Amino acid sequence: DADVTQTPRNRITKTGKRIMLECSQTKGHDRMYWYRQDPGLGLRLIYYSFDVKDINKGEISDGYSVSRQAQAKFSLSLESAIPNQTALYFCATSDFGENEQFFGPGTRLTVL
Amino acid sequence: GNSVTQMEGPVTLSEEAFLTINCTYTATGYPSLFWYVQYPGEGLQLLLKATKADDKGSNKGFEATYRKETTSFHLEKGSVQVSDSAVYFCAPGEGGSEKLVFGKGTKLTVNP
Repeated sequence: DADVTQTPRNRITKTGKRIMLECSQTKGHDRMYWYRQDPGLGLRLIYYSFDVKDINKGEISDGYSVSRQAQAKFSLSLESAIPNQTALYFCATSDFGENEQFFGPGTRLTVL
Repeated sequence: GNSVTQMEGPVTLSEEAFLTINCTYTATGYPSLFWYVQYPGEGLQLLLKATKADDKGSNKGFEATYRKETTSFHLEKGSVQVSDSAVYFCAPGEGGSEKLVFGKGTKLTVNP
């Protein structure tokens, strides 16, 4: 079984809809991250959480919110989706004191 | 914060050719350095890493050496295979934090 899972894997939605992307991990890591990937722009950090009570904005947090429901779960929400949020979204985890991150398989989101 | 400059692609090679993908970074201190690989339709996975100056990371025939003097971490492989076709990301750790800073990625296509 995969250590970091993301649901859904693909989603098509319409402008203005609320969307939630979910991430779960079985690695026992404290740190969790949400990134988006766009062609030619690499990965950009949206939000990160170093433990259940710690949430931090990344470089592109506008239009997004997150919830850390438990050590193993970290959700990303788009309150009112817009077309330029069409992208590939990745969740990642890391252990305390370590830089190495472990990635989920990604969610491909299309906003029409 | 830290930043990274990675060779722009796409890079197209024939099988058994030599590969170099350049990566330079700016950083305070001496961060850990990583190369991640993303195969088509998948998430990122760690390819190799180096944690201190002059360390050489290696995996699957790929190598990269931590060059403190030139703040570089170039990825090399002596003989690429079709199965190496993927996107490669250079990622230094961010000083004083457990985050990573990702390059924009280099897409490699290897033709038979």
